[in-house]
Amino acid sequence: DTGVSQDPRHKITKRGQNVTFRCDPISEHNRLYWYRQTLGQGPEFLTYFQNEAQLEKSRLLSDRFSAERPKGSFSTLEIQRTEQGDSAMYLCASSFRGSGANVLTFGAGSRLTVL
Amino acid sequence: GQQLNQSPQSMFIQEGEDVSMNCTSSSIFNTWLWYKQDPGEGPVLLIALYKAGELTSNGRLTAQFGITRKDSFLNISASIPSDVGIYFCAGFPGGSYIPTFGRGTSLIVHP
Repeated sequence: DTGVSQDPRHKITKRGQNVTFRCDPISEHNRLYWYRQTLGQGPEFLTYFQNEAQLEKSRLLSDRFSAERPKGSFSTLEIQRTEQGDSAMYLCASSFRGSGANVLTFGAGSRLTVL
Repeated sequence: GQQLNQSPQSMFIQEGEDVSMNCTSSSIFNTWLWYKQDPGEGPVLLIALYKAGELTSNGRLTAQFGITRKDSFLNISASIPSDVGIYFCAGFPGGSYIPTFGRGTSLIVHP
């Protein structure tokens, strides 16, 4: 059981730099989610994929953010021209469309610190 | 967007005490999920609820899907130090595949 893998676990960058996070979902899961979590808050939805199609994006996902899932397997979340307000934990989750649906399995997260 | 009110925000209890926390929504949800998150880690699923009135247990944890479909509660019996963490409720609005999360209940258990 490999679970959901996220890389890197921690990233420290300077304001204005670009960063990219990778998520490897559970292999048979066709749904993939990105959430952002700041201290003292619950996860906030960013975007959702079903297979390779990006079906929904939150208003939180500004034009500096882009997410892809090119072959319906792993996904990347890129943040361009990072700002201090981007500092947060970025969580990836996956689920299976079928019985027991709507149960999201989360990765350990990628913590971003923008200096 | 959907709003989930989770309470209490934090709890400080003695080992062995029972704990209760709840979530309420302004609209109807089709599924409720309860997660626990340890510091620096992602949330881990505790219990999933799919039907109004459903009562489900997982060891010392019990959760219920409210009859109105607008609320859910989680109880932890006989708390132990490893119960420390942040507990989140999450709900799926009707027809949506995207869960909304509460702000969490931080639980501290004193030995």
